[in-house]
Order: sequence, then C-alpha cells, then structure tokens
Amino acid sequence: QKEVEQNSGPLSVPEGAIASLNCTYSDRGSQSFFWYRQYSGKSPELIMFIYSNGDKEDGRFTAQLNKASQYVSLLIRDSQPSDSATYLCAVKVGQAGTALIFGKGTTLSVSS
Amino acid sequence: DTAVSQTPKYLVTQMGNDKSIKCEQNLGHDTMYWYKQDSKKFLKIMFSYNNKELIINETVPNRFSPKSPDKAHLNLHINSLELGDSAVYFCASSLGSSYNSPLHFGNGTRLTVT
Repeated sequence: QKEVEQNSGPLSVPEGAIASLNCTYSDRGSQSFFWYRQYSGKSPELIMFIYSNGDKEDGRFTAQLNKASQYVSLLIRDSQPSDSATYLCAVKVGQAGTALIFGKGTTLSVSS
Repeated sequence: DTAVSQTPKYLVTQMGNDKSIKCEQNLGHDTMYWYKQDSKKFLKIMFSYNNKELIINETVPNRFSPKSPDKAHLNLHINSLELGDSAVYFCASSLGSSYNSPLHFGNGTRLTVT
C-alpha cells in the first residue's frame, strides 16, 4: 500500500528561525513530490514541487529530495507567524496514474 | 479568473438524503479529482477522471457516483447520506500527462450530515 508519512506535530518555532518539515514515502516508483500549505478552513495551496535528487530553493523555502532514502523535506527560513499552517507532503505515484497521495500533514506554529 | 470552482460551499442535510456537489475548472486541464478531507485533516483521493474517463476509483462506497460530462466539469452525487459522510470534499484538477503537474484545488464543500 502506498503511504506518505509525516509527523503530525505541532512543530513550534520562534519567529525568524528555520522550520524543518519531514516526509517519507513507501513507493519507490514515486516520480514527483509536492509540498502544500493549508490554512484552517481553506484549501491546500502549492508551495513547491521537486522531482530530482538534491535541493530546490524558492524564496524562503527549500525542498530537499533523497530518493535512495525515500525522504523529502521542506525548510522554511526566517519563519513568520503567517507561516503557521498545516503543511502537506504529497507524492505522485506513477502506477496510479496522476493522483497525488497525501500525508496527514504537519502543523507548524510560528510564535512572534 | 482562472480557477477551480465548486458549489455549494456548505451543505447541511439529514441522513438518508441524496445530494450533489458540482465542480468546474477553466484552467484547460484534462484531469479532475475528488478528494475527501476528514475531521483529522487527512486528504484522501476518491476519484480521478482523465478526459471524461474514470481513472481512479478508490475504495469508496457505491453511494458515491462521480460524473464528468466534459473535461471541465466533474460532479459528485451522494445517495443515502450517512453521518460518516460528513467531511470537506475538495475538487481538484491538473494536467494529467505531466508528471510534475501540481493539483489545483477548489475551495471545498463542507458537508454536514445530521
């Protein structure tokens, strides 16, 4: 069974710190990996995606992928209170077509 | 505005009733999805349609029936509603042929069954 695992949190960091969010996945056939942010009562919104091993940076966000370890992470630098939300890791699994399989999300709380 | 839009935003109904949720996207995508998010915020795939063809049908009770009249629309009909159906239902779309195409979500329909 295809699974995506995340620590549910909450992860608490002070404003200005680096928040590190982690995700592991079970299917080695997974092709691409996505991070979504979801505020309470809102729909998930895409932060970034990654499909090659290594790091990918976009502003304050860095996604890291290690396919050998089946591990993907998201770093948020200079965390702001507005970053407080649930972060969802999602994996695109080839055999299933195009659906994204989501983890249960990690709740991040940034205190000012 | 280009978007995924779904209606209604809120749906409150009694057990045993039948209800529908509608979804439309104007992003030019060829694949549409229904996801269910339960009270623990777990987002789970229910159905996926590619060019009006059913691609994914997860273990969902057959009281749930999706219908895709064209690539831009995907509706969800639910018969004989049960208390456990209470959740937020999200419609989403993507370019199915691209392995790095993200999902774009609608604003969700909060279904409450009493």
